[in-house]
Formats: sequence, C-alpha cells, structure tokens
Amino acid sequence: GQNIDQPTEMTATEGAIVQINCTYQTSGFNGLFWYQQHAGEAPTFLSYNVLDGLEEKGRFSSFLSRSKGYSYLLLKELQMKDSASYLCAVHDSNYQLIWGAGTKLIIKP
Amino acid sequence: IAGITQAPTSQILAAGRRMTLRCTQDMRHNAMYWYRQDLGLGLRLIHYSNTAGTTGKGEVPDGYSVSRANTDDFPLTLASAVPSQTSVYFCASSASLTPGANVLTFGAGSRLTVL
Repeated sequence: GQNIDQPTEMTATEGAIVQINCTYQTSGFNGLFWYQQHAGEAPTFLSYNVLDGLEEKGRFSSFLSRSKGYSYLLLKELQMKDSASYLCAVHDSNYQLIWGAGTKLIIKP
Repeated sequence: IAGITQAPTSQILAAGRRMTLRCTQDMRHNAMYWYRQDLGLGLRLIHYSNTAGTTGKGEVPDGYSVSRANTDDFPLTLASAVPSQTSVYFCASSASLTPGANVLTFGAGSRLTVL
C-alpha cells in the first residue's frame, strides 16, 4: 500500500529552528509537496521537490532524498504565525497526490 | 480576486437528505478536485476532473457524485447523506495533472455535519 508518515505534533520556540520529517512509500514518484494549513483554513502551497537536494525559499527550506524515501521541511527564525499544520504529499505514478496526515507545529514564546 | 469559491461555508444536514456543495474557480485551471479532511487522516480524494466534460473517481468516491459541465464549476453531490460523511470538504484546482504543474489552489472549505 501507499503510505506517508509524519510526526503528529511538534513544539518549538519562537526564533528557533525546527525540522519536520516526512517518509513515504508510494507506487512511483513524481514529486513531493509541502503545504501549510492554519487552523480552520485551506492548505496553501509551500514547496515542491522532484530532484534530490535542498530547495531554499526564504525562511523555509525543503530537502528530498528519493533513494531513502525521505523529505524534511526546515523552518528557521520561527515566528508565532508559523503555528500551523504542515502537510507532506507525494505525486505517484498515476498522477495522484498521496497525503500525509500532517504535522501540527506549536510555537511557544 | 482570483481563486476558488466554495458554498456553503457550513451546513448541518439530516441523514438521508440530498446536498450539493458548490465550487467555482476563476483561474481557468483545467484540473479540479474534491477532497475530504477528517481529524487524524490525510486529505482524501473523492473525485477529480482533468478537464471540462471528464471526471474520475478518487480514493473515497462512494456516496458522492460530481459533474464538470464547464471549466469553472465542479459541484459535489451527496445523494443521500449519512453521518460518516460528516467532514470538511475542500475543492481545489491546478493548471493540469502534470507533475510540476500540479500545485493545488484550495477553496476555503465547506464544513458539513450529517445528523
């Protein structure tokens, strides 16, 4: 079966760095997405990785290792507004997006 | 403002009733999707459409139907609602299904409670 695993919840301190991991087992791979979802709101796109390596976009970076079926989202200089759920999703060989259950990130002052 | 409009925002419905969730996009995206989101589970695809006039079944299609008469509209119908269909429903769209062009734009969601 297809599976994406993420930690259910993480806590970090304002101004710090946090890494949210995602491991996947899917039938084929055509890219990995990270979305941010604030409570009661719609998910919004953060990043897309299709090749191995690190993609940096301001305070957020996303890393992919296809051989390990592994990705992480790195958030630097955490702000209170970064409190949200972070969703990992993989595009499989059938052009379907397989979603993880999401990681709820709690930022404390 | 470009984006996706969903209606209603929230609805309480008696079991057995018919319900249509509306979704309209103004981005001229070819692909549209309906997802449900339940606590502790990832987004699950109900139905999708590659382009106007075509639809396909997702992971959890039973009890739901869709139509795609034109590019902009993609309504989701529950023919006879059951309590297990209580969920938050998100409509989404993307330029196409092609990887890389498949960044999804989501509507604000419709919270449905079936009693």
